[in-house]
Amino acid sequence: GEDVEQSLFLSVREGDSSVINCTYTDSSSTYLYWYKQEPGAGLQLLTYIFSNMDMKQDQRLTVLLNKKDKHLSLRIADTQTGDSAIYFCAESISNTGKLIFGQGTTLQVKP
Amino acid sequence: IAGITQAPTSQILAAGRRMTLRCTQDMRHNAMYWYRQDLGLGLRLIHYSNTAGTTGKGEVPDGYSVSRANTDDFPLTLASAVPSQTSVYFCASRADRNTGELFFGEGSRLTVL
Repeated sequence: GEDVEQSLFLSVREGDSSVINCTYTDSSSTYLYWYKQEPGAGLQLLTYIFSNMDMKQDQRLTVLLNKKDKHLSLRIADTQTGDSAIYFCAESISNTGKLIFGQGTTLQVKP
Repeated sequence: IAGITQAPTSQILAAGRRMTLRCTQDMRHNAMYWYRQDLGLGLRLIHYSNTAGTTGKGEVPDGYSVSRANTDDFPLTLASAVPSQTSVYFCASRADRNTGELFFGEGSRLTVL
């Protein structure tokens, strides 16, 4: 079935790197996404990666995709207190139009 | 400002009552979605619509219904609310370009007593 799994919590110190991991099930997903949710708000797209790419870098963000293992990761370099939020991984289920989300990883950044 | 508008922002409802959560978008996106967010469970897809006139079931459709009479509106109805439907509900629309990212509303917090 369709499933996206994430660990629920990550705590880092300000200035360190954060790595948030995700596994998914649909090997034919075209795009995989990372969304960020700040307290009391909706989700906003952070970045995405096309399935034929292994890596995508966007300023402090690096997305790594391992299609063989169906594993996606988000690395945030030089993590700041403003990065504290819930991060959701999502996959696009082919031929359905559905996006399935993981449980969300709460990132806590300590000063 | 273009985007997704949800209403109400928050509602307390007695069990057994009927409730409709409204969602309107002004981006002319074809696809729209309803998710519920619960602690530890993330976002779960309730229903979706790939285009006006069509709808589909998501992961947790029971107890909910939707309609898509036009492109802009996608209401979610709870015919007879139960306490397990206490949640935060998010409506989203999907960009028609290849990347297909979702744009979310601010959410509707529903409490069923």
